[in-house]
Amino acid sequence: DAKTTQPPSMDCAEGRAANLPCNHSTISGNEYVYWYRQIHSQGPQYIIHGLKNNETNEMASLIITEDRKSSTLILPHATLRDTAVYYCIVAPREAAGNKLTFGGGTRVLVKP
Amino acid sequence: ETGVTQTPRHLVMGMTNKKSLKCEQHLGHNAMYWYKQSAKKPLELMFVYNFKEQTENNSVPSRFSPECPNSSHLFLHLHTLQPEDSALYLCASSQPPNTEAFFGQGTRLTVV
Repeated sequence: DAKTTQPPSMDCAEGRAANLPCNHSTISGNEYVYWYRQIHSQGPQYIIHGLKNNETNEMASLIITEDRKSSTLILPHATLRDTAVYYCIVAPREAAGNKLTFGGGTRVLVKP
Repeated sequence: ETGVTQTPRHLVMGMTNKKSLKCEQHLGHNAMYWYKQSAKKPLELMFVYNFKEQTENNSVPSRFSPECPNSSHLFLHLHTLQPEDSALYLCASSQPPNTEAFFGQGTRLTVV
């Protein structure tokens, strides 16, 4: 599986957009970019995934560069409840979930 | 509420005890997983079940014994654990061939 690189931590202000970067320079052509988050002492929560087009859902937007070597998760209006560890994962789309390999993620702290 | 329910949420057990963790999913998925998350470490995949058959065992010690009686239920039987086995144990499910996994809230296990 391709590896990802994320900053270990970042702060953002409540009500502002939070932009979380992820590098995945060795991503394969059949691998998607997945984002999960884990609020303290809870199970990871699926956020969004994409292949090469930008994606948006009710939680976030995902921007993938044209060369697919990096991506950015955008939380449009961060709230205190968005404080969590955010994981960027690359994995084949059509595979069992065992292809999800979690790294260290980015610890995001939303401040008032 | 993710549709994946784990019980108990917290468990304290002695090293000579036998206990079981339970996971139930109401999503109609056919793949289920056990993950372990130790303090300050990434999630580690332990076991994978696809259509009730174990398809992956990531070198997990035999003191952890999984059981999948049907596609909706997954158990992790524990016996003669060590203090270093104390961790958050997470269950997840997905619907093959899709990769998105949905996690339960986890069982916080303390071995004394």
